[in-house]
Amino acid sequence: DAGVIQSPRHEVTEMGQEVTLRCKPISGHNSLFWYRQTMMRGLELLIYFNNNVPIDDSGMPEDRFSAKMPNASFSTLKIQPSEPRDSAVYFCASSIRGRGANVLTFGAGSRLTVL
Amino acid sequence: AQRVTQPEKLLSVFKGAPVELKCNYSYSGSPELFWYVQYSRQRLQLLLRHISRESIKGFTADLNKGETSFHLKKPFAQEEDSAMYYCALGETSGSRLTFGEGTQLTVNP
Repeated sequence: DAGVIQSPRHEVTEMGQEVTLRCKPISGHNSLFWYRQTMMRGLELLIYFNNNVPIDDSGMPEDRFSAKMPNASFSTLKIQPSEPRDSAVYFCASSIRGRGANVLTFGAGSRLTVL
Repeated sequence: AQRVTQPEKLLSVFKGAPVELKCNYSYSGSPELFWYVQYSRQRLQLLLRHISRESIKGFTADLNKGETSFHLKKPFAQEEDSAMYYCALGETSGSRLTFGEGTQLTVNP
């Protein structure tokens, strides 16, 4: 397995543009997480899915952020419109849900720069 | 609500010196604690978990429920230990991990 695959690895865009980040979890994993990493706040959980269903999106900063998981092998995180303060590294991670199985496998991350 | 605190954003030691990265948590249930590490230009990866009670790359961490701490320790730091370290708390119900702010460890030659 190639692990968790994220694209794009780097994205530079201008304020106001739409940004779509993509994630392919590990086959057989039924939980998927989107995290945002910044120097000031570390790793923040934005949203997570169990069996393709969003369970907790309380970490999503505001309505400009949305996430979908149409099937077990694909998820997107969309920012529309983007703002400079959204600049960060966005990580996707997957795991097998269950007690004692909180071991996440992370993707390489998508570094977003909004000018 | 669960919370993880890593009081030091930056920690610098010399090679061969002991190192301790602090982690405190608050959680009303029975916690699962983890340490994740991110080496330069690599993915975030699991270093160790408290239920395994094992030593990985010379690192150990003991869960102290009385002090609600899960400090990461290594008696003799190596240059290759330089990385960002995150403490994480897993909920009793499974799945969700809450991370601390991270500590950037630098081991100087």
